Amino acid sequence: DAKTTQPNSMESNEEEPVHLPCNHSTISGTDYIHWYRQLPSQGPEYVIHGLTSNVNNRMASLAIAEDRKSSTLILHRATLRDAAVYYCILREDPSEKLVFGKGTKLTVNP
Amino acid sequence: DTGVSQDPRHKITKRGQNVTFRCDPISEHNRLYWYRQTLGQGPEFLTYFQNEAQLEKSRLLSDRFSAERPKGSFSTLEIQRTEQGDSAMYLCASSHRDRANYGYTFGSGTRLTVV
Repeated sequence: DAKTTQPNSMESNEEEPVHLPCNHSTISGTDYIHWYRQLPSQGPEYVIHGLTSNVNNRMASLAIAEDRKSSTLILHRATLRDAAVYYCILREDPSEKLVFGKGTKLTVNP
Repeated sequence: DTGVSQDPRHKITKRGQNVTFRCDPISEHNRLYWYRQTLGQGPEFLTYFQNEAQLEKSRLLSDRFSAERPKGSFSTLEIQRTEQGDSAMYLCASSHRDRANYGYTFGSGTRLTVV
């Protein structure tokens, strides 16, 4: 079963920042937090991952709470192409398989 | 490299028929995963391979499902005696064991419709 909790849906306006929350209260010390997104009719796409420290890449930023029981994916300026389902996942060892929940459907308004 | 390829993109079959899907991972990736996704749900893990060895199978994978990865390259997923409940998107992903934290690369999936 998925070990994360996310809101079912969120809305944003184009060119505004978006903060997508995720709770993972049962996270263990070695679990990595991964975020993927899935556009309609496509397979999921890797966005970002982290362990303890905040992370930035060209797509997004990941802010991880000090106790690691929650995290937030930050899209700095949403575009219409960011409309997708965003999944927050704890990567399991040793198979490293990803257990997906239902994710958050992000709608971006023009 | 063109990423993870899945073939066919769409498959319509009659109930009771057998179907086979193919996945070609990124060439240097030694891990390959199969997932199934139904409408409105996140992908569900089915099975994974490290090289040619099948290391884990989900309880979702009934006896009618079989997966292979000969020579540790491409993989096939076969469903025998298909049922309407098998209708779903079947996704393949690959990763490198030593670089798993760079994420998985998913294919675009094979959409199966059982009529």
